[in-house]
Amino acid sequence: GAVVSQHPSRVICKSGTSVKIECRSLDFQATTMFWYRQFPKQSLMLMATSNEGSKATYEQGVEKDKFLINHASLTLSTLTVTSAHPEDSSFYICSAHSGAGGNEQYFGPGTRLTVT
Amino acid sequence: QKEVEQDPGPLSVPEGAIVSLNCTYSNSAFQYFMWYRQYSRKGPELLMYTYSSGNKEDGRFTAQVDKSSKYISLFIRDSQPSDSATYLCAMSFSQGGSEKLVFGKGTKLTVNP
Repeated sequence: GAVVSQHPSRVICKSGTSVKIECRSLDFQATTMFWYRQFPKQSLMLMATSNEGSKATYEQGVEKDKFLINHASLTLSTLTVTSAHPEDSSFYICSAHSGAGGNEQYFGPGTRLTVT
Repeated sequence: QKEVEQDPGPLSVPEGAIVSLNCTYSNSAFQYFMWYRQYSRKGPELLMYTYSSGNKEDGRFTAQVDKSSKYISLFIRDSQPSDSATYLCAMSFSQGGSEKLVFGKGTKLTVNP
């Protein structure tokens, strides 16, 4: 149980274009989903927290107009990187929390974004 | 100021060795403590989850929390080559109605056959 998927697993896009990444909880309903970014040899940095049906809460320094998050259902959240630039190239990982029982977060496999 | 400090490694041990991984923290608000394993280019996998001081054992893994010293450890017994990965400690705190995680930088472990 507690499986989280992400799509796509890797994407290459040109500078100035937008990219959408999907995060799905496959066998549980996720009341809260989180989006992280991980640069090489660095730890995971929380970008934003999204609750189903609500606006996402962004961490300090994360541009909400650049990283659009939608959490339209209890099993799906999307992150759209708008007007991508090479410095946005990173490993984007989502996690999901069911809201029931413990406070564990279950992570997706990540999406490798390369902006050329 | 970094809230979570983790031994950077890399750590290389022979198969069968006991591995000790450690993290220290400064924020007393952290309530839950986790260890994740991350293979290269994959998402983190939850290994251990604790919320109180003391030891928690799961197979070859033991998580230890010392809240008074703000120190947590993960021990791996009889280490195997398949344990080779990066191990991340994580700690959670409540903010805005959500439980948020703060991660250590990770320790890269290699178990040599």
